[in-house]
Amino acid sequence: QVQLQQWGAGLLKPSETLSLTCAVYGESFSGYYWSWIRQPPGKGLEWIGEINHSGITNYTPSLKSRVTIAVDTSKSQFSLKLSSVTAADTAVYYCARGRYGISDYYYYYMDVWGKGTTVTVSS
Amino acid sequence: SSELTQDPAVSVALGQTVRITCQGDSLRSYYASWYQQKPGQAPLLVIYGKNNRPSGIPDRFSGSSSGNTASLTITGAQAEDEADYYCNSRDSSGDHLVFGGGTKLTVL
Repeated sequence: QVQLQQWGAGLLKPSETLSLTCAVYGESFSGYYWSWIRQPPGKGLEWIGEINHSGITNYTPSLKSRVTIAVDTSKSQFSLKLSSVTAADTAVYYCARGRYGISDYYYYYMDVWGKGTTVTVSS
Repeated sequence: SSELTQDPAVSVALGQTVRITCQGDSLRSYYASWYQQKPGQAPLLVIYGKNNRPSGIPDRFSGSSSGNTASLTITGAQAEDEADYYCNSRDSSGDHLVFGGGTKLTVL
């Protein structure tokens, strides 16, 4: 059964760089998209970006200038870096596995999620 | 458009049927996926594609789509279904993912 285990620094100061890693266990790394999603306290889910096994990335426009998602297929890991953090970046950060399908229309879904990492930005 | 719109809150009496909706232009090209999130937990996929349930999801959960609106229906809501529900889809360009703002479901 596939599992995602994530880790990274939980307390940052403004202007520092957030760094998280997500390891994939029990499944091939290829054939999927690997996403980062965050959730500020008391708010909804926000997609940050994704990467596939070939290193092709997509980022949400509002964060694109500060985000880097990378993959290390040899370790079945992918990572998130978010630079110049502020208090607005305080959130629970999740990694997730995404898949495409087609049935009349295309569809995309995230069927495996990490447990989440709480990141707090405070001076 | 890259937005998905959900009602912020919906309530249902125990054992009754409730429909949670999600509207957005991208839903004319993509089926939505639906996630249940309980406090302190990661989101859980409950519906994807035309109307597919992952293993372990009760069959009281179903999905449908018409035009720019996707719906999640819970037939015979149970107390344990009380949670936040989020819809999700690729945007119209296909390059990005978007989430709805979430619907808080209360089971009375």
